Amino acid sequence: DIQMTQSPSSLSASVGDRVTITCQASQDISNYLNWYQQKPGKAPKLLIYDASNLETGVPSRFSGSGSGTDFTFTISSLQPEDIATYYCQQYDNLPLYTFGQGTKLEIK
Amino acid sequence: EVQLVESGGGLVQPGGSLRLSCAASGFTVSSNYMSWVRQAPGKGLEWVSVIYSGGSTYYADSVKGRFTISRHNSKNTLYLQMNSLRAEDTAVYYCARDNIAVAGRETYYYGMDVWGQGTTVTVSS
Repeated sequence: DIQMTQSPSSLSASVGDRVTITCQASQDISNYLNWYQQKPGKAPKLLIYDASNLETGVPSRFSGSGSGTDFTFTISSLQPEDIATYYCQQYDNLPLYTFGQGTKLEIK
Repeated sequence: EVQLVESGGGLVQPGGSLRLSCAASGFTVSSNYMSWVRQAPGKGLEWVSVIYSGGSTYYADSVKGRFTISRHNSKNTLYLQMNSLRAEDTAVYYCARDNIAVAGRETYYYGMDVWGQGTTVTVSS
């Protein structure tokens, strides 16, 4: 099974900061990686697919990069409404999906 | 409007059964891949099961042999039959649409782009 390791598990940043979250796969998954945002009490929301493609309607301050085993999710300028938990998800091993353990983002 | 609405959650004793429903609107369930994802209290997301447009079904090892995913095409509804429930099955269960595109013999996957609001399952005596 493919394991996904996100870091950090939690993060505190100030409004306007650049925020970076990493996700490492236990084996090469090409670019088969998505990123989701989950606000408290809400369902997850797809932000990035295929490692770097922005889902329609998602603000351009969100971006993703990487391939193989190492991936990065970035918020270029943190906004108060970005407070959430962020998850990566691999789909190289379809039909078996794997999520990372999540990164909880808080405002400093 | 594209929407998913789950129902059927509740309190059930260990060893019991429950059937979750996920009613879709704005798109056709049988033309898409559809997944169930769960989230235990205070924990992360765990993929549970998927049904492909062709009808093939797949399960996480943690639920294989106990859960069954299915759909009713005329009702445009997805189901998850959960049997032999355990305390560790306690979670919020989400249904989600897997966004795919088919070109010839190739299937391209673009993530879970539509989610329901979730339904809570509690397994406890």
